[in-house]
Amino acid sequence: DGGITQSPKYLFRKEGQNVTLSCEQNLNHDAMYWYRQDPGQGLRLIYYSQIVNDFQKGDIAEGYSVSREKKESFPLTVTSAQKNPTAFYLCASSRGIWNEQYFGPGTRLTVT
Amino acid sequence: RKEVEQDPGPFNVPEGATVAFNCTYSNSASQSFFWYRQDCRKEPKLLMSVYSSGNEDGRFTAQLNRASQYISLLIRDSKLSESATYLCVVVTGNQFYFGTGTSLTVIP
Repeated sequence: DGGITQSPKYLFRKEGQNVTLSCEQNLNHDAMYWYRQDPGQGLRLIYYSQIVNDFQKGDIAEGYSVSREKKESFPLTVTSAQKNPTAFYLCASSRGIWNEQYFGPGTRLTVT
Repeated sequence: RKEVEQDPGPFNVPEGATVAFNCTYSNSASQSFFWYRQDCRKEPKLLMSVYSSGNEDGRFTAQLNRASQYISLLIRDSKLSESATYLCVVVTGNQFYFGTGTSLTVIP
């Protein structure tokens, strides 16, 4: 089965801790993305990557970091510098930067 | 001005009704357009692309009006299972811009 997986589905952390969210795809897509969604709001782009070993900041990159060492994987680290980290995090991938995106099931992060 | 704007609704319609959503965009250079569906607490799922000449997929029709800079989604004979939030997406340059979504509830 081809698709995008994110783990874990729910994640709880204490304030001040860094946490890494996993995103893996087996669709052979070149481009991958991380979004954040808050209740009642649209998706906001955190980071995106068009190819391996390259990534760009999105609209709200502060307090986040990513890596793209493999085509299949695009992990997101939420650092302690992120002021309001509690949110629904969605990973997506697409064949190319202009093509339709396909989403993973998301990770709900709660920081207390 | 926002890149993409959608009426948040909610739209509450009886089963079998026809419902239409619009989405306006601000950049005339935008090159690709999509509609996604998002169920409560789930990820968005691609519903359909929007082509310049308009396109249909069963009971769903998507249209693009470049002159007025809007896209639309028409759902005919709506089903209970189609209650969800519908997101429009506009691609400008190498950026995807998501609307905030329009909430649809189909009532028995």
